Amino acid sequence: DVVLTQTPVSLSVTLGDQASISCRSSQSLEYSDGYTYLEWYLQKPGQSPQLLIYEVSNRFSGVPDRFIGSGSGTDFTLKISRVEPEDLGVYYCFQATHDPLTFGSGTKLEIK
Amino acid sequence: QVQLKESGPGLVQPSRTLSLTCTVSGFSLTSYGVSWVRQPPGKGLEWIAAIWSGGSTDYNSALKSRLSISRDTSKSQVLLKMNSLQTEDTAMYFCARWRLGHFDYWGQGVMVTVSS
Repeated sequence: DVVLTQTPVSLSVTLGDQASISCRSSQSLEYSDGYTYLEWYLQKPGQSPQLLIYEVSNRFSGVPDRFIGSGSGTDFTLKISRVEPEDLGVYYCFQATHDPLTFGSGTKLEIK
Repeated sequence: QVQLKESGPGLVQPSRTLSLTCTVSGFSLTSYGVSWVRQPPGKGLEWIAAIWSGGSTDYNSALKSRLSISRDTSKSQVLLKMNSLQTEDTAMYFCARWRLGHFDYWGQGVMVTVSS
C-alpha cells in the first residue's frame, strides 16, 4: 500500500502568517494517464472532511486562492498564505493513484 | 443540491455484522461513484470501500474479507456491510461522492460503537 507521510504533525501559526504542510509518498503518484491524483482535505472540528485541492494544484469550487498545492512524483506541499481563523482543523493529503486509496496521517493546524 | 446521508444502528455487538446505508440526492449513482471512509475517535481517516458509477467495486485490502458494498439505484442508496465486528471498528463512518478522482461531497457521518 502507498504510505503518505505528512509533516509536521501539528502546526501553530499566527493569524496572517503562512503555513506549509508536506506530504511525501512511498511511490510516485503519477498515473498512467498522466494525471497525479494527490488531493488535500480539511476537516474542521466536528465536521466532515472537505475537499480543498485535487490533482496536486487545482482548487475545488469555492476554495480561496490562499490555498496553494504544488509538487510532483512523491513530494507534495500545501501552502496556506495569510492564515485565517476558519483555517483551523486537520489537513489530510490523499492519493487515488494506487489501489487501495490512502490518506496521510494528518496535520493539525492551530492558531496562536 | 447534492446531499449524502449515512444511517446505521449506532451500537453493534462484537462479532456481529454492521449494515450501513448512504442515501444520496441531487445526483445519480449511475453517474458518480460513492465511497465509505471511517475515522476512529481521535484518529485519522481510512478509506474502506467504493462502488463506481458502472457498478464495479473496490475494497481496502486489509478489510476486504469482511466487507461488501452494493447499491440500490432505485432508492439512491449505497449499502455497506462489514462482518465479524471488533472493538477496533468503532468509528465515525462517512460516505462521500467520487468525481474524477476525488471526493467532492461528504455526508455528515454516522457513529458506530462496537461493544457488548
